[in-house]
Amino acid sequence: DGGITQSPKYLFRKEGQNVTLSCEQNLNHDAMYWYRQDPGQGLRLIYYSQIVNDFQKGDIAEGYSVSREKKESFPLTVTSAQKNPTAFYLCATTHYPNTEAFFGQGTRLTVV
Amino acid sequence: QQQVKQSPQSLIVQKGGISIINCAYENTAFDYFPWYQQFPGKGPALLIAIRPDVSEKKEGRFTISFNKSAKQFSLHIMDSQPGDSATYFCAAPLTDRGSTLGRLYFGRGTQLTVWP
Repeated sequence: DGGITQSPKYLFRKEGQNVTLSCEQNLNHDAMYWYRQDPGQGLRLIYYSQIVNDFQKGDIAEGYSVSREKKESFPLTVTSAQKNPTAFYLCATTHYPNTEAFFGQGTRLTVV
Repeated sequence: QQQVKQSPQSLIVQKGGISIINCAYENTAFDYFPWYQQFPGKGPALLIAIRPDVSEKKEGRFTISFNKSAKQFSLHIMDSQPGDSATYFCAAPLTDRGSTLGRLYFGRGTQLTVWP
């Protein structure tokens, strides 16, 4: 089954803790993206990667980090520097930048 | 700075009515304008998209109308059904800091509620 797998579905973080969200795809897509979704804010781009070993900051990259060591994987780390991390995080892929984006089912992160 | 402006933020329509959601954009890298549909707790999924060598595209009850000169496009849902209740996002592939590759910018979303 081709698709995008995000894990975990729910994640709880303590204050001052780093957490890593997983995103794996078997669509053989070149580009991968991380979005943050808050009520009324739409989808805001955190980081994106067009090719392996390269990535660019999006609009709200502060407090986040990523890596792209394999084409299939694009993990997102939410660091302790992110002061308000509670949100719904979505990973997406595209074959080319101007074609259909496929989304994972999301990870809901909550600070406790 | 909002690159893709979507309106309205919320919309309530009676079953059988027409739902209309509008988007306006700035400078595009490519001509590709998609609409995504998202149900609560799920990721968005492509609903319909247009590459504007045409001004309108229809798929079932869903139609995109595109006005290139005005830099606007809209989604029309005919005969709206309670199952259409979801959040809808428009997107446009705008240039990103001079890059010619472009990236999708999303509107802020419209929460549609269809009353039975």
